[in-house]
Amino acid sequence: KQEVTQIPAALSVPEGENLVLNCSFTDSAIYNLQWFRQDPGKGLTSLLLIQSSQREQTSGRLNASLDKSSGRSTLYIAASQPGDSATYLCAVSGVRNTGKLIFGQGTTLQVKP
Amino acid sequence: NAGVTQTPKFQVLKTGQSMTLQCAQDMNHEYMSWYRQDPGMGLRLIHYSVGAGITDQGEVPNGYNVSRSTTEDFPLRLLSAAPSQTSVYFCASSGQGTDSGANVLTFGAGSRLTVL
Repeated sequence: KQEVTQIPAALSVPEGENLVLNCSFTDSAIYNLQWFRQDPGKGLTSLLLIQSSQREQTSGRLNASLDKSSGRSTLYIAASQPGDSATYLCAVSGVRNTGKLIFGQGTTLQVKP
Repeated sequence: NAGVTQTPKFQVLKTGQSMTLQCAQDMNHEYMSWYRQDPGMGLRLIHYSVGAGITDQGEVPNGYNVSRSTTEDFPLRLLSAAPSQTSVYFCASSGQGTDSGANVLTFGAGSRLTVL
């Protein structure tokens, strides 16, 4: 059974710091991996999607990497800002694309001014 | 383009009552799914659908029914509400294409359900 783990559960950093969020999964047979952002009381917003054949994806100050063989993904946030404060979740899709995802429990990030 | 629309946003039920959470998407997505989010448990898949007329169970399907009569709509029915079903429910949809953009999951804003 696929399990997704995110460590740490919470992270607090000063504004301007570069940071890395970690995601690990137990079964390397994935179709894709997605990173989401969730603000308190809100829905999830997709940040980046990495197909199983890709190594990384970038969007603005965000860079996500994928190492299927080790079952790991990282989300790198450059020059963090208070507006980046949110919960970040990673999720994996199985070998066939069905829109069915297994989620980690998320890392809650606080960026202090 | 509204994306994924969920109604109601808030609902309070008594134990044993039934209700339906509505979900509609206007992006012509093939895949739709329902998740529940509980503190300390993350998001867990309840049911999902790969197209009209096709549904399947996720990780926590007990106590819930779904149907998919059209591409746009995917309602979630609680048959006899229990306090353990108090949660925030999210509907999501995604497309079938092979490019990465097609597979991105779009979520609704959520429905907060309390069962007394």
